[in-house]
Amino acid sequence: GNSVTQMEGPVTLSEEAFLTINCTYTATGYPSLFWYVQYPGEGLQLLLKATKADDKGSNKGFEATYRKETTSFHLEKGSVQVSDSAVYFCALSGRDSSYKLIFGSGTRLLVRP
Amino acid sequence: SQTIHQWPATLVQPVGSPLSLECTVEGTSNPNLYWYRQAAGRGLQLLFYSVGIGQISSEVPQNLSASRPQDRQFILSSKKLLLSDSGFYLCAWNKGVGGYTFGSGTRLTVV
Repeated sequence: GNSVTQMEGPVTLSEEAFLTINCTYTATGYPSLFWYVQYPGEGLQLLLKATKADDKGSNKGFEATYRKETTSFHLEKGSVQVSDSAVYFCALSGRDSSYKLIFGSGTRLLVRP
Repeated sequence: SQTIHQWPATLVQPVGSPLSLECTVEGTSNPNLYWYRQAAGRGLQLLFYSVGIGQISSEVPQNLSASRPQDRQFILSSKKLLLSDSGFYLCAWNKGVGGYTFGSGTRLTVV
């Protein structure tokens, strides 16, 4: 079945450092890929998405490229801020009518001033 | 615009008591609806999803059930709560490949 694997956290960075959170997936067909962010005590917000190979999703300085050849969707940001501290979830959705989202286990990011 | 409402925000219930969490969606019709649970320090587990009124699919065997009495209403229930039912419950809706919109969540503590 479909699955998502993302790097374990926590990831601790200093402000303005470069961020990479790795995400790889296993899926049949051509899934859509997503990154969601969860700030402390809140629900999940869609950060970015890509629906086909080689698409690049971007938002708020974050980017991720849909790499079919490596089945990856790594999240990157060139310069993190303290306000980026949150839990980040990689997810995929198949193309059947249920559009179920399968999530990775989440990666906690802590950015220190 | 579409909105999703989920309540209550927090709930403390004794073991063995019943549970009813409600989720409603506004501004769209015939959405797919989902219930997820996030246990402390863990990822999100899909519990139930529904592609239409009265249609419920269960992803994992458990002490919970779901119902969809109206197009934009999704209810999560239990007859008798267990300690292991504690967690953060999230409702979401979707209408295709664009991704989900999540509610703000209900933090359930079973004591």
